[in-house]
This record gives sequence, C-alpha cells and structure tokens, in this order.
Amino acid sequence: GAGVSQSPSNKVTEKGKDVELRCDPISGHTALYWYRQRLGQGLEFLIYFQGNSAPDKSGLPSDRFSAERTGESVSTLTIQRTQQEDSAVYLCASSFRLGQSMEPQHFGDGTRLSIL
Amino acid sequence: AQSVSQHNHHVILSEAASLELGCNYSYGGTVNLFWYVQYPGQHLQLLLKYFSGDPLVKGIKGFEAEFIKSKFSFNLRKPSVQWSDTAEYFCAVNQRAGRRALTFGSGTRLQVQP
Repeated sequence: GAGVSQSPSNKVTEKGKDVELRCDPISGHTALYWYRQRLGQGLEFLIYFQGNSAPDKSGLPSDRFSAERTGESVSTLTIQRTQQEDSAVYLCASSFRLGQSMEPQHFGDGTRLSIL
Repeated sequence: AQSVSQHNHHVILSEAASLELGCNYSYGGTVNLFWYVQYPGQHLQLLLKYFSGDPLVKGIKGFEAEFIKSKFSFNLRKPSVQWSDTAEYFCAVNQRAGRRALTFGSGTRLQVQP
C-alpha cells in the first residue's frame, strides 16, 4: 500500500538504552509530524518537518528526544537514555501540500515502545 | 495555547441509536477542525474536516459534524449507528495561519452493541 510506514511496530528495551524509530511518509508528502500517545491519553505533538527542516520542535519533551529527516523522505526519531515515562505509541503522520494547514494528516500504525 | 475537550470518554449504544459526540476547542483565531477514527487494530483515519464554508460537513460512513463558532464546538453526529462503528473517535484542531500541528482531544471510545 501507499500509506505511512513505521518501523519497528513494537520495541521493548531496557531503561537507559537509546532507541531509534523510523517513519516513511507517503511519497510526495512534504510535511511530516511525530506524535506520541500514552496509555489512556490523547495524542501529543512532538515535532513537525517541512521538507528536511523542522520549524516546530515545541513538543519535544526533553533534550533526550531528537529527530531528523533526510530530503523529503524518511524521518527518524531518536530517544536517548530512555526512561519508563517514554513508554507510549509513537505515531508519524504526513500531509501533502507544504504550507496548507487544512490538508489532512495521514497516520501510520505507530511504534509501540515499552521501557522496562 | 489551544486545547480540545471531548467530554464523553466512553459511550455505549445499541445499534440504530443516534450518536452525538461533543468536542469543544479553545483558540481565539481561525482554526481547521478534524474528526479522526481509530478502529480496533487499525491506524487513525480521517472521518471529516472543516475549514470554511457550510458549517455542516459530511464525512465518510454517514457521519457529519457541525461547526458552531459561537460555542467553539464541532460535535460529531450519526443518525443510526452500526456495530461496525465501534471505535475510538478523536477531535483535533490546528491553526489556519499558525501552528500546523494538530491538538487532539483525549478521545471517545464508542461501543455499539448488536
């Protein structure tokens, strides 16, 4: 299919380890977003990319979180020195037209991250 | 900062009952409004969106929503629910001319009993 693809689908790791989550947006989508959803809560915004620049990083919860995007394609979200409160489903979304706020965001299946 | 409130956390209905899920947002500027649905085991999918024009918008699967600007509301409705509508429903908003990121409500879990 041509949807947003995220990997891995599940990740279990020990507290203190680093993790890297990957997102492949829909081809041609210039905007890419990362969100997370903790158990029983709504989605929280983390970071937004236009192309490979990130004009809005305001949702990153700490300096342990970082993200990059190469070209207008793949993005990786890295969490360093993971903590138990980082356990959540991390969702990636992409949308088509740069600068068009009303374009709907298309979501991937998410990565379920569990920190032991 | 903008916020979105969904007052119904868990709704249980019988098939053929009518549905209305509440959504209120707080933001003083112009917004775009969305309803997303997440069926069990699936990813979030767009149900409908509003950004201008007729405040009554129709989406997929017989859903509709009405934007009432004076009440900062965007309630989701369906006249007759089906068992297949069992899912979690999220209201979301972003700024027309500012922040692109969506602010989501905490979601409403709908359970439709056959």
